[in-house]
Amino acid sequence: SQQGEEDPQALSIQEGENATMNCSYKTSINNLQWYRQNSGRGLVHLILIRSNEREKHSGRLRVTLDTSKKSSSLLITASRAVDTASYFCATDSDMDSNYQLIWGAGTKLIIKP
Amino acid sequence: GAGVSQSPRYKVAKRGQDVALRCDPISGHVSLFWYQQALGQGPEFLTYFQNEAQLDKSGLPSDRFFAERPEGSVSTLKIQRTQQEDSAVYLCASSLYGSGGSPLHFGNGTRLTVT
Repeated sequence: SQQGEEDPQALSIQEGENATMNCSYKTSINNLQWYRQNSGRGLVHLILIRSNEREKHSGRLRVTLDTSKKSSSLLITASRAVDTASYFCATDSDMDSNYQLIWGAGTKLIIKP
Repeated sequence: GAGVSQSPRYKVAKRGQDVALRCDPISGHVSLFWYQQALGQGPEFLTYFQNEAQLDKSGLPSDRFFAERPEGSVSTLKIQRTQQEDSAVYLCASSLYGSGGSPLHFGNGTRLTVT
């Protein structure tokens, strides 16, 4: 079953603009991860944020986590054509087995040149 | 270093045929997962191995699906008597540990089409 829900489902922006994607989840968690998937490829891990963290940065990526609202956001700054991909959040519930990740349906991001 | 390798990349099977999908995880990774991904959806959990032990197979859709990892490295997902609804991308992922705090490394998947 899917716990995470990303929104928007699809996002199309001009190169150079910032892209923001959101993820909401239902149960309390230990960790939340973001992954990128290019068309026809596997998923690539981007960033992991723990439940006791509020913000994390990696290059042009910024992730925030609000456990009170059970939501996270992924911000990509100064977008480039190579950022065109689908982005997924995945959570591990602190009530279930700790290896199980629950995935959202993803946000499809298109960067227009 | 080498990543997770899956073969074949594409497989077309006639309904009723058996198929076997292979996954070579990253060397030394304890945990191995199989996921099924439908078009436009996130991965759906199928099964989980810790070394050679299959600790969770709760996501396997039916008893036609079988997975093994006999020596704790390479894994095979077998689907017997394939049906059209089995058409999907099958993703394999490995991680150093088994916890949700350990990032997954994915292969590029096997796209299965059942005709």
